[in-house]
Amino acid sequence: GQQLNQSPQSMFIQEGEDVSMNCTSSSIFNTWLWYKQDPGEGPVLLIALYKAGELTSNGRLTAQFGITRKDSFLNISASIPSDVGIYFCAGRPTSGTYKYIFGTGTRLKVLA
Amino acid sequence: SAVISQKPSRDICQRGTSLTIQCQVDSQVTMMFWYRQQPGQSLTLIATANQGSEATYESGFVIDKFPISRPNLTFSTLTVSNMSPEDSSIYLCSVGREHTTDTQYFGPGTRLTVL
Repeated sequence: GQQLNQSPQSMFIQEGEDVSMNCTSSSIFNTWLWYKQDPGEGPVLLIALYKAGELTSNGRLTAQFGITRKDSFLNISASIPSDVGIYFCAGRPTSGTYKYIFGTGTRLKVLA
Repeated sequence: SAVISQKPSRDICQRGTSLTIQCQVDSQVTMMFWYRQQPGQSLTLIATANQGSEATYESGFVIDKFPISRPNLTFSTLTVSNMSPEDSSIYLCSVGREHTTDTQYFGPGTRLTVL
């Protein structure tokens, strides 16, 4: 099925560094969600965004709903080892119902 | 958020058999969905489980292969029928409350291996 493009695909960073990842599409979305998935677990919702330009924080995480409504960004500040995992964005198209399209994922590894 | 449980958490099955996965939510929800996550891949929506009626399947997924039941607002099952090794995946249940926010919350997943 259709997927959103996430970048980077994977990244290694040093503990304490800031991390940025993004999700882009050629279509407009009404809602953006960001999830984190640990090995063997289901995705856990981190942040939900509902308006173009919206900037929302959850602890060390900050996400933004792009002004064009075709992209979203997630930043993690001062990374720690437990930030390791796969981060997925999910977008709800304007023409859809309550179905979400998921990004390809960003695999984050933190080096202590 | 809702508390979602899935059974079984994992299983190893033989080719040609079927497995039914259960999803239980601790409160009534409007929307329930089933996703598949193939090894190392993202999530793909299989179908929307509709309470009291047939599920709505996405392109590439059919009822004969993935029959779904949803007898009430807190429970759903997904059956993976006539399995082959290509069906080895994590199967995830998710829920959404239509009348508050339209975020989705996921269960812990069922890890299926088909030999």
